[in-house]
Amino acid sequence: DAKTTQPTSMDCAEGRAANLPCNHSTISGNEYVYWYRQIHSQGPQYIIHGLKNNETNEMASLIITEDRKSSTLILPHATLRDTAVYYCIVRPLGWRDDKIIFGKGTRLHILP
Amino acid sequence: KAGVTQTPRYLIKTRGQQVTLSCSPISGHRSVSWYQQTPGQGLQFLFEYFSETQRNKGNFPGRFSGRQFSNSRSEMNVSTLELGDSALYLCASSLGQGSGANVLTFGAGSRLTVL
Repeated sequence: DAKTTQPTSMDCAEGRAANLPCNHSTISGNEYVYWYRQIHSQGPQYIIHGLKNNETNEMASLIITEDRKSSTLILPHATLRDTAVYYCIVRPLGWRDDKIIFGKGTRLHILP
Repeated sequence: KAGVTQTPRYLIKTRGQQVTLSCSPISGHRSVSWYQQTPGQGLQFLFEYFSETQRNKGNFPGRFSGRQFSNSRSEMNVSTLELGDSALYLCASSLGQGSGANVLTFGAGSRLTVL
C-alpha cells in the first residue's frame, strides 16, 4: 500500500509557480520525503528530499509541515518542460524492510 | 560521470520464454533497485540489492528474480514470460548508505514486449 497520497493531476500556467501537494500522514520519525519526476517514457529523475526542514535546490523547493504529515513541492517558475508525472515517496535512511512504493503520482500539465 | 546503463533498451519475446535484463550502476553506488512500469499499475517495486544481498522485495511472483555482482552490476530475470509481463523495466542505483543513501538515479529502462 502507498505511504503517500497525491492528486491524480494538476494544471499550472507557464511562468507561474506550481505547487504539488503530498500527504504522508503515517510518516515515521526517521523517514525522509523524496520527490521525483518522470517525463514521458524516460526514467524518473530525482528532484529534492528532506526530513523536517524546508529545502531548496536549483530545481525546486520542498516545504514540509511542522507535523511532517504533508509536504509541498514548489516549482517556482513552471515551463513547458516541467510537464511530467511527479512522485512523492517516503523512505527511512537506515537499514530496514522497506519496499520502495511510488504510487501513481501527480500528472502536472503546464499550460502555455 | 556515467549514468545508470540498462541493456537491452528494447526486446521482444514470446510467451513461455525467459529474459535477462542488465543494469550497470553509477560508479561507487552499491545499491540497485528494480521496478516494473505499466500503464495500468504505474511504477512498482520489484527488489533491491545492496552489496550482492537482496535487501527488500516487492509483491511479485517467483518468476521474477535478480542478483547483484561484486562490481555492483545487477541483472534481473523473468522466466516463463506472460503477456502481462510486457512493461518498461527500470533500474535505479544509489549509494545505499551514508548521507544521500537513498537518492535514486534511474536508467532509461528496458522495454519488454511479450507476444
